[in-house]
Amino acid sequence: QVQLVESGGGLVKPGGSLRLSCAASGFTFSDYYMSWIRQAPGKGLEWVSYIGTSGSPIYYADSVKGRFTISRDNAKNSLFLQMNSLRAEDTAIYFCARGHWQLECWGQGTLVTVSS
Amino acid sequence: EIVLTQSPGTLSLSPGERATLSCRASQSVSSSSLAWYQQKPGQAPRLLYYGASSRATGIPDRFSGSGSGTDFTLTISRLEPEDFAVYYCQQYGSSPGTFGQGTKLEIK
Repeated sequence: QVQLVESGGGLVKPGGSLRLSCAASGFTFSDYYMSWIRQAPGKGLEWVSYIGTSGSPIYYADSVKGRFTISRDNAKNSLFLQMNSLRAEDTAIYFCARGHWQLECWGQGTLVTVSS
Repeated sequence: EIVLTQSPGTLSLSPGERATLSCRASQSVSSSSLAWYQQKPGQAPRLLYYGASSRATGIPDRFSGSGSGTDFTLTISRLEPEDFAVYYCQQYGSSPGTFGQGTKLEIK
């Protein structure tokens, strides 16, 4: 069955960096666009970034542009999100999801907390 | 950016009743590029509907989606206990894709 498993979240100080990973299984990863979506505590959903099947096109929300970098390794069925210059407002659960239109499958998410 | 406004914010109903959730867009959503998701506490969202009226795999037929242009509706014909959750609409016809703020469906 389709499975997406995020990792790499944690507590980081403002200005710090984290790299999130998403391991995919149960489908042909290289056939699908992939997305990162985040949800601040008690809040709604925000699309952060998506990436095409071969690494392009790439989209970033204005709120993360210039600080976050999405990438993928199709040989390893993995999606990544490099997050730099983190701010308190980046605190959220980060979900990876399959697709960039309707989001068909989601991981369980990894919590990123930005606090001093 | 297209802003999606969901109403009501909270809907209190009893099992067996019919639920009607609304999603209104600030401008027309192209090609009915609208999806609905259900999210339960501590879980990831689950896709219910896409293309405004196409049910996702495994979703019971008591869920139905409709609408076009700027007005979309998710209807749950007869509420089951497991349907009480938060529901989000999402448009993906215009970049950036955006989500509504959610409707919480709670047990009355």
